[in-house]
Amino acid sequence: QSALTQPRSVSGSPGQSVTISCTGTSSDVGGYNFVSWYQQHPGKAPKLMVYYVNERPSGVPDRFSGSKSGNTASLTISGLQAEDEADYYCCSYAGSFTWVFGGGTKLTVL
Amino acid sequence: EVQLVESGGGLVQPGGSLRLSCAASGFAFNTFEMNWVRQAPGKGLEWVSHISASGTTIHYAESVKGRFTISRDNAKNSLYLQMNSLRAEDTAVYYCARTNRAYFDLWGRGTLVTVSS
Repeated sequence: QSALTQPRSVSGSPGQSVTISCTGTSSDVGGYNFVSWYQQHPGKAPKLMVYYVNERPSGVPDRFSGSKSGNTASLTISGLQAEDEADYYCCSYAGSFTWVFGGGTKLTVL
Repeated sequence: EVQLVESGGGLVQPGGSLRLSCAASGFAFNTFEMNWVRQAPGKGLEWVSHISASGTTIHYAESVKGRFTISRDNAKNSLYLQMNSLRAEDTAVYYCARTNRAYFDLWGRGTLVTVSS
């Protein structure tokens, strides 16, 4: 499988909103509602932020929201805060107990 | 405390072998599917392998198929990854991750594997 396509970087000022896209194919993103998003701070393990396209685990602020249209999923972070600065990875189930990740997007809070 | 702790990483020569372990605690390990995910230095995440809760169903990424073997011991609450015929491109931090219905809801801190002569 090829990695899902994410922008290398996005940026925004505190309080603003940013959206990170994640483009795959009909065999992964478009074929299943099993898209998840992970936040990773430098030197740390990834942390689940969104699952099943738009569900949030307990403890994740509602500033984080997900959506999907066709073969492209998106993560929107509203009310940007300094602690949101991190790398973000999308992930999709690709069938037969296999998964594919995106290349990652570095979010800079200006 | 609910956690996963990896161990077993280190420096190995190309063509060598290494066995990673992941110790689970704080949850019913034998009821969860598990995965290994790796991250090369400065690169993104890459799914490596999946194992069912019972250990009877196993899947691998094409990049490691035939060289890596995933296994688990539910009596010891442990997950393993046997890595053979290691290559420079296998250099990465290896994370074990708990699967919860097609997403990864719990991650360990990772263990670094360096393949170099």
